[in-house]
Amino acid sequence: DIQMTQSPSSVSASVGDRVTITCRASQGISSWLAWYHQKPGEAPKLLIYGASTLQSGVPSRFSGSGSGTDFTLTISNLQPEDFATYYCQQTKSFPITFGQGTRLEIK
Amino acid sequence: QVQLVQSGAEVKKPGASVKVSCKASGYSFTGHYMHWVRQAPGQGLEWMGWMNPNNGGTNYAQKFQGWVTMTRDTSITTAYMELSRLGSDDTAVYYCARETVGGNNFFFDLWGQGTVVTVSS
Repeated sequence: DIQMTQSPSSVSASVGDRVTITCRASQGISSWLAWYHQKPGEAPKLLIYGASTLQSGVPSRFSGSGSGTDFTLTISNLQPEDFATYYCQQTKSFPITFGQGTRLEIK
Repeated sequence: QVQLVQSGAEVKKPGASVKVSCKASGYSFTGHYMHWVRQAPGQGLEWMGWMNPNNGGTNYAQKFQGWVTMTRDTSITTAYMELSRLGSDDTAVYYCARETVGGNNFFFDLWGQGTVVTVSS
């Protein structure tokens, strides 16, 4: 199975800040990577797929990059609604696996 | 309205089975694979498998083979996930998620609201 490791596990930031979350795959996954965020009590929501393609309707302050084993999600100009838990997901091979999550908290 | 609506919360005893439904609306039900993902309390996301609504084909994560069954009823555009021989560590929120293909990738662009399954004696 492909292991997905996110860092940091949690991060504190303020409204207006820029935050970067990283995700590392245990083997190469090309660009078969998606990012989701999840608020308490809600289902995950797709932000980015193909490592860098913004899902329709997602604000442009979200961006993704990377290929192979190392990926990043950057959120610029943090807004109050961005405080949530973020997950990366690989769909290169089965079983599909997720990172353990990064909790983004308000400082 | 494009949405997935899941059945309500369940409380089951150890050893019992649970069947969760996922009603799709607003899009072509047979045009998208349906995946199931679960999340134990305070934990991350765990993929369970997929079902092809077009022909009923399935692919289960090895962990769940032999005790999960994913089916569908195309006449009512509903997918089902049944988990048998429940144990306390099956207490979780269970989500259905629609797969969409794009840009030589696939991803989960539509999720149900989740179904809480509690296993307790």
